[in-house]
Amino acid sequence: DVKVTQSSRYLVKRTGEKVFLECVQDMDHENMFWYRQDPGLGLRLIYFSYDVKMKEKGDIPEGYSVSREKKERFSLILESASTNQTSMYLCASSGVIGNYEQYFGPGTRLTVT
Amino acid sequence: AQSVTQLGSHVSVSEGALVLLRCNYSSSVPPYLFWYVQYPNQGLQLLLKYTSAATLVKGINGFEAEFKKSETSFHLTKPSAHMSDAAEYFCAVSDRGRDDKIIFGKGTRLHILP
Repeated sequence: DVKVTQSSRYLVKRTGEKVFLECVQDMDHENMFWYRQDPGLGLRLIYFSYDVKMKEKGDIPEGYSVSREKKERFSLILESASTNQTSMYLCASSGVIGNYEQYFGPGTRLTVT
Repeated sequence: AQSVTQLGSHVSVSEGALVLLRCNYSSSVPPYLFWYVQYPNQGLQLLLKYTSAATLVKGINGFEAEFKKSETSFHLTKPSAHMSDAAEYFCAVSDRGRDDKIIFGKGTRLHILP
């Protein structure tokens, strides 16, 4: 089974802090994704990566950056956390040729106070 | 460009009753379509997917969905609701591009009434 893990289930940070959210997948997938989920808005794509050191902006990249130094790990960085970044963050991976299915981690619920 | 519309942000059904969650899609190419489920405080789990083979797709936990090209719909059904089906359900579409991007609907929260 594909396993996608996220470093924290719950995180509380203060405004202005630098925040790192880590995601690791164990299936050698090429593609990895970061979403944020808010009530009534569904999942919105922040960034994605289709290869090591490659990244592409999603629909809402402002205030975020990402890093992918190794194939299995994709990090989301909030350079200076703000209260409007309080949300559920979901990581996903995909890469089975012709499948197009994404596999999700359990999510990190981030609260910025 | 792809898009997905889920009708109804909240749906309530009685235990044992039919579950019907509606999804309409827009796609410029033959799409792949997905239904994902999210239980409280968990990530998303694939329920079923349509990949241009059979138009009636069976998934886990007794759910199924029918692809109707003429109606651009991919509604999710289950004949008899169970309390454990209470969750949020997301319909999604892929343009089958190189980067495997998926466009998600806004979700429908299913409530099961005893």
